[in-house]
Amino acid sequence: QVHLVESGGGVVQPGRSLRLSCAASGFTFTNYGMQWVRQARGKGLEWVAVISNDGGATLYADSVRGRFTISRDNSRNTLDLQMNSLSAEDTAVYYCATSPRSASSTGTGYWGQGSLVTVSS
Amino acid sequence: EIVLTQSPGTLSLSPGERATLSCRASQSVTSNFLAWYQQRRGQAPRLLIYEVFRRATGIPDRFSGSGYGTDFTLTISRLEPEDFAVYYCQHYATSPPMYPFGQGTKLEIK
Repeated sequence: QVHLVESGGGVVQPGRSLRLSCAASGFTFTNYGMQWVRQARGKGLEWVAVISNDGGATLYADSVRGRFTISRDNSRNTLDLQMNSLSAEDTAVYYCATSPRSASSTGTGYWGQGSLVTVSS
Repeated sequence: EIVLTQSPGTLSLSPGERATLSCRASQSVTSNFLAWYQQRRGQAPRLLIYEVFRRATGIPDRFSGSGYGTDFTLTISRLEPEDFAVYYCQHYATSPPMYPFGQGTKLEIK
C-alpha cells in the first residue's frame, strides 16, 4: 500500500526556519519526481517546488524561490523541504505529492495527507 | 509565466447530470502537460487526469479530459454523489519552469 507521510509541521515565529519531511513507501520512489504543494485555509492549491526523480533538477514558485529548498534522499525514500525566512503568508497545509510528469511513465499519482505549518508570533 | 483560469467558480448540478469544467491557459500548454485533480472536503487531492486526457490508474471512465493549446475541459459524464468536490487543473513543464494550478471549480449538489 502506498504511503506518503509528512512530518515536521508546527508553529514557528516569523523569520525563523522549519524543515518538512515526507516518508514514502509502497512504490518505487526513484521512478517519481516529487513536488510540494500548499493550501492555505479555505483557499486553493498553490504549487511550491518540484524535484526530479534523481534529485538533479529542481524548480520553485516565485513566492518561495531563494527561501525554500527541496531535496530528496533516494537511499531513504524521503523528500524534504527546508523553509527559511518564514512569514505569515507561508501559513498553510503542505502536501508532499508525486509529480504529474511522472504519471507519463507510471500512470499514477500519489499525495500525502498534509502537514500544517503556522507562522505566528 | 502561465496562468490557469478555471470556470465556472461554482457549478451546481444533480446526480446523474453531466459536468463540464473549463481550464484556460494564458499561453499555449507545452507538450500536453496538463493534469486534473479532485479534492473532496477534508481530504488530500487525487490525480484524475494527466497529459490532458489520460486517466490515472483506478479512475472511473466517467471522467474524461480533452483540449488543446490553451483551452482544456474535464467532463464527468454522469455525476455520482462522491463526485461533488473541488477540481483543479495544473500545468507542468520546464518551459516556462513552473507548475501552476488553476484556482479551482467547486462542483456542488443542486
